[in-house]
Amino acid sequence: KQEVTQIPAALSVPEGENLVLNCSFTDSAIYNLQWFRQDPGKGLTSLLLIQSSQREQTSGRLNASLDKSSGRSTLYIAASQPGDSATYLCAVGYGNKLVFGAGTILRVKS
Amino acid sequence: GAGVSQSPRYKVAKRGQDVALRCDPISGHVSLFWYQQALGQGPEFLTYFQNEAQLDKSGLPSDRFFAERPEGSVSTLKIQRTQQEDSAVYLCASSLATGSGNTIYFGEGSWLTVV
Repeated sequence: KQEVTQIPAALSVPEGENLVLNCSFTDSAIYNLQWFRQDPGKGLTSLLLIQSSQREQTSGRLNASLDKSSGRSTLYIAASQPGDSATYLCAVGYGNKLVFGAGTILRVKS
Repeated sequence: GAGVSQSPRYKVAKRGQDVALRCDPISGHVSLFWYQQALGQGPEFLTYFQNEAQLDKSGLPSDRFFAERPEGSVSTLKIQRTQQEDSAVYLCASSLATGSGNTIYFGEGSWLTVV
């Protein structure tokens, strides 16, 4: 069964800290892996998309890595800001289907 | 609008009632997806369309759930004889083309509460 697990479930940090969110998946036959952001009552916004042949992607203060062999991905957020507070979802692409983790709820305190 | 539009945004249905949820994808997007998100969980795949063809409906939880996209644009997710466990946010998403490298855009969801 294709399962995606995210750790931690929730995280609270002071503004300015660097932080790492973790994602693991059981089926390594992936097409891609995406990280999304979800604000309360809103849809999902794609942050980074890593193809199965890639090791990492960067966008601004965000960096995502992918290790297919170990079934892991990390999302690194540098110099966190209160505006980064949201739920972060890891989604693994298998063909045209995404399998999501339950998310990490991030709170950045000012 | 420029994004994926869903309606209604909020729906309260009595148990046993039928509901229809509408999705307007981004214009020109070939691929359309429906996901179900329960409170505190990640979205779960329901079904996928490429133009008007429903290529994967493996995630539909029962035969009470039906989706269509007759002209390859707007899609409707219909739930018959709603039950309390159907209460969730139903998310629609679209992407420009098929294949794994395309960014997927989500709507804000239709929040269904069955009482």
